Amino acid sequence: KQEVTQIPAALSVPEGENLVLNCSFTDSAIYNLQWFRQDPGKGLTSLLLIQSSQREQTSGRLNASLDKSSGRSTLYIAASQPGDSATYLCAVRLGTSGSARQLTFGSGTQLTVLP
Amino acid sequence: GAVVSQHPSWVICKSGTSVKIECRSLDFQATTMFWYRQFPKQSLMLMATSNEGSKATYEQGVEKDKFLINHASLTLSTLTVTSAHPEDSSFYICSAPDSLAKNIQYFGAGTRLSVL
Repeated sequence: KQEVTQIPAALSVPEGENLVLNCSFTDSAIYNLQWFRQDPGKGLTSLLLIQSSQREQTSGRLNASLDKSSGRSTLYIAASQPGDSATYLCAVRLGTSGSARQLTFGSGTQLTVLP
Repeated sequence: GAVVSQHPSWVICKSGTSVKIECRSLDFQATTMFWYRQFPKQSLMLMATSNEGSKATYEQGVEKDKFLINHASLTLSTLTVTSAHPEDSSFYICSAPDSLAKNIQYFGAGTRLSVL
């Protein structure tokens, strides 16, 4: 059974710092990996999706890497801003059928960026 | 991108009452929708898969008689929490796969249920 772990569970940094969020998964036979942002009491916003054949994806100040063989992904946030404060979730998909049963979420990292 | 709308965003109810949550795909059709539950500081846990025109598929440990799911059209799925109790208080999120790229899911904004 796929297990997804995110470390740290919570992180507090001053504004302007670069930071890294970590995600690890036990079954390396993934189809893709996705990073989401969740604001308090809100749904999920997709940030980056990395296919299993890719090593990284970038969007603005965000960069996500994937090392399938070691079962790890990182989300790098450059020049953090208070508006980045949210919970960041990592999710891995095992197959291609579109079944949600193949999508496993980590428990998230709660990020606070202090002004 | 595709949008999934969820309503209501927040509901407070008395213990013993039933609450209905709606999930709509606004600009695409979804033969399948997924319902998740999220407790504070925990991740999303899949509750059930809603199938248009047929019975929902429930995950192990989820009571189908308590969490009634109806998927009567290609754009609407509903989750009814029957005889709600305080332990049912949680954040409920629905999602639907992209009509072409099934491995991409769009998520609703979620519904916070508080049972008094």
